[in-house]
Amino acid sequence: AQSVAQPEDQVNVAEGNPLTVKCTYSVSGNPYLFWYVQYPNRGLQFLLKYITGDNLVKGSYGFEAEFNKSQTSFHLKKPSALVSDSALYFCAVIQLSRRVSNFGNEKLTFGTGTRLTIIP
Amino acid sequence: NAGVTQTPKFQVLKTGQSMTLQCAQDMNHEYMSWYRQDPGMGLRLIHYSVGAGITDQGEVPNGYNVSRSTTEDFPLRLLSAAPSQTSVYFCASSYGLAGGPIYFGPGTRLTVT
Repeated sequence: AQSVAQPEDQVNVAEGNPLTVKCTYSVSGNPYLFWYVQYPNRGLQFLLKYITGDNLVKGSYGFEAEFNKSQTSFHLKKPSALVSDSALYFCAVIQLSRRVSNFGNEKLTFGTGTRLTIIP
Repeated sequence: NAGVTQTPKFQVLKTGQSMTLQCAQDMNHEYMSWYRQDPGMGLRLIHYSVGAGITDQGEVPNGYNVSRSTTEDFPLRLLSAAPSQTSVYFCASSYGLAGGPIYFGPGTRLTVT
């Protein structure tokens, strides 16, 4: 079964400093990996995804993530944090089915979320 | 486009009552799903649909029913509400799950007393 772990419930970073939100995954095949952000009282918004190719993926709002297959990690990063980056961040993984005709085998599994607080 | 819309935004039910959470999307997405969000547990998949007339169970389907009579609508029915179903419910849709991204609605906050 596929799973995602976000080891930190809370991350605090000073404004202007680089930030990292950690994510590790477990799948038996090739993963599709995603990061989503949730602002207060809102639904989740897509930030970026890794499907294949370059291990460094760039996304919205200046965020990027690095896929590391040997460490099964997909950490979210940003070079310089903004106060407006404060939100709840979710990592997610899909394990693709070999039965490509069975669309329903591709189910998205979310981590438990990391609350990022940027301190002015 | 309105995107993914959900109604109501808030609801309070008594144990044993039934209700339907509405979800609609105007992006012609094939894939729609329902998640519940609970503190410390992230989002868990309740039910999903890969097209009109096709639904399947997710991780936590007990106590919930769904149907998909049209591409646009995917209602979630609580058959007999229980306090354990107190949660925030999100509907989501996408063209195809593997391709991403998934678009989420604003959520319904449900309290069962």
